[in-house]
Amino acid sequence: EAQVTQNPRYLITVTGKKLTVTCSQNMNHEYMSWYRQDPGLGLRQIYYSMNVEVTDKGDVPEGYKVSRKEKRNFPLILESPSPNQTSLYFCASRSGLARPETQYFGPGTRLLVL
Amino acid sequence: DAKTTQPPSMDCAEGRAANLPCNHSTISGNEYVYWYRQIHSQGPQYIIHGLKNNETNEMASLIITEDRKSSTLILPHATLRDTAVYYCIVRLPNTGNQFYFGTGTSLTVIP
Repeated sequence: EAQVTQNPRYLITVTGKKLTVTCSQNMNHEYMSWYRQDPGLGLRQIYYSMNVEVTDKGDVPEGYKVSRKEKRNFPLILESPSPNQTSLYFCASRSGLARPETQYFGPGTRLLVL
Repeated sequence: DAKTTQPPSMDCAEGRAANLPCNHSTISGNEYVYWYRQIHSQGPQYIIHGLKNNETNEMASLIITEDRKSSTLILPHATLRDTAVYYCIVRLPNTGNQFYFGTGTSLTVIP
């Protein structure tokens, strides 16, 4: 089954404790993205990647890191989480060639930073 | 990419057509209109897209005005499972990976 998976789905942590949210897709997609969703602000893009070793900042990259060492994986790293990073996070992927440019989203990771 | 404007919320009676408007008055000639929806904190799901012509698929119909400054997503027979936030997105193809979702329209289907 074609899908985007994220782990963990729920995470409670404390300020300053490094964490990684994993994202994996099995569709051989070139493009992958991370979004955060907050009430009243909609979905905002954090980082995206156009292929292996190619990443770029989205609209709200501060406090986040990403890496794309393999095509299927795109982890989101919070080196020193802060309470303002409490949010719902989505990973997404899409093919660079397919039309329409349909993004496939993961199930989401709900993060609480205390 | 052009900015879109959508009403923040709408209601629709179950079984009736839901018509969700989107204004994109600054759209350029090559920008596509995409619609996605998000059901209660799940990942957004693609619905339909179009450039100039009206489009229909198994989920919905998309009506784009002749001047392309606005569009309407139509769910022909809304069900309770169509209760969701609907996002209208306008973008150029092949422009990296930026998708601007905005805050969308929260559609509530009423029994």
